[in-house]
Amino acid sequence: GAGVSQTPSNKVTEKGKYVELRCDPISGHTALYWYRQSLGQGPEFLIYFQGTGAADDSGLPNDRFFAVRPEGSVSTLKIQRTERGDSAVYLCASSHGQGTTEAFFGQGTRLTVV
Amino acid sequence: AQSVAQPEDQVNVAEGNPLTVKCTYSVSGNPYLFWYVQYPNRGLQFLLKYITGDNLVKGSYGFEAEFNKSQTSFHLKKPSALVSDSALYFCAVRDNNAGNMLTFGGGTRLMVKP
Repeated sequence: GAGVSQTPSNKVTEKGKYVELRCDPISGHTALYWYRQSLGQGPEFLIYFQGTGAADDSGLPNDRFFAVRPEGSVSTLKIQRTERGDSAVYLCASSHGQGTTEAFFGQGTRLTVV
Repeated sequence: AQSVAQPEDQVNVAEGNPLTVKCTYSVSGNPYLFWYVQYPNRGLQFLLKYITGDNLVKGSYGFEAEFNKSQTSFHLKKPSALVSDSALYFCAVRDNNAGNMLTFGGGTRLMVKP
């Protein structure tokens, strides 16, 4: 596709429920990142994939958060037992995977936990 | 650990005047530096980057940024601001010794008044 695609664009869920957020990166990009952005703040790093493997998951806040990228393309961020504090915009980005290349971001998924 | 500071929450400038949005960084190795812009309800858009070479880099929409190693700064500039430049601006850094994680600053809101 032309850019990074994230679905859904908005998700409202009840506290305690499980959610999945999907990211479809730019074709050919080996690196994929997930960030979380709360209102008025900068993006906060969650996890980074190089190919199929999670190269750095140090930003995942706790074990309720998990992400996969089984075929090295589409990624899914999974949140179990959602809490109201999980409400934020979840951003996905992809790049060619070299440190010198810029990352391209999707529009984000706005998650609201009620 | 790598970090980015954007000391100004908001910058106000009159249309036609020059603008500067400040950014300082901290890395253990050599920095790769990036500026992104975010319009309301939109994803982050890449503006420009510094990897190596000339300290003054030029990017999209007439923006430029100056890398200053001694001051560990990478301020964003534009000679003549437009009302349409009003948006949220984020500085980001990647440490070439620390993998591909991209760390963002807290953002600066630029308000350009007619």
